[in-house]
Amino acid sequence: DTAVSQTPKYLVTQMGNDKSIKCEQNLGHDTMYWYKQDSKKFLKIMFSYNNKELIINETVPNRFSPKSPDKAHLNLHINSLELGDSAVYFCASSPRAGLAEAFFGQGTRLTVV
Amino acid sequence: AQSVTQLDSQVPVFEEAPVELRCNYSSSVSVYLFWYVQYPNQGLQLLLKYLSGSTLVESINGFEAEFNKSQTSFHLRKPSVHISDTAEYFCAAARSSYKLIFGSGTRLLVRP
Repeated sequence: DTAVSQTPKYLVTQMGNDKSIKCEQNLGHDTMYWYKQDSKKFLKIMFSYNNKELIINETVPNRFSPKSPDKAHLNLHINSLELGDSAVYFCASSPRAGLAEAFFGQGTRLTVV
Repeated sequence: AQSVTQLDSQVPVFEEAPVELRCNYSSSVSVYLFWYVQYPNQGLQLLLKYLSGSTLVESINGFEAEFNKSQTSFHLRKPSVHISDTAEYFCAAARSSYKLIFGSGTRLLVRP
């Protein structure tokens, strides 16, 4: 029944590794997002996809690559993980592009050691 | 660039007391405004939103916020808080774009 679900919920990994976070929404929404919440709770958008098309790409290192196989899924792949990547990553969705109201997943707490 | 300011990083208050969490935004054009709540170790939940129409918006759990265009504010209020309201509250704004701009958050700490 979860509207926006992310896996895994927790991820601990070593520097230099490559990891992926998966996100799925069953709301029938057209638009999906990835947000990053740092240790000070500050939230910032990273990417947005509308119907599988990338529409927002903030100043994020190119080690981060989103992939949207269909409009219900938006995965985040991170290469060569660094200590500074440690954060909580939130997936979100909204009914359509241009409507900023977003529904958030539970978050994935990534810890790079 | 659009920005959202939450001046108070933490607001301690006693149970059943009133509370106001402040939010100011900077935008010269029409803006949509939101309050999200984040309970410990959980994701963000939409609390209330202003898109258009009445400047006073309410949530189902007793919170309200008023859009004040002249003061570019969207403060969140509740006349009587409960212990269960303890959480992080985020104000967010968006123009007719695809992304939310968040404030830095205010931790509401309700004490018995």
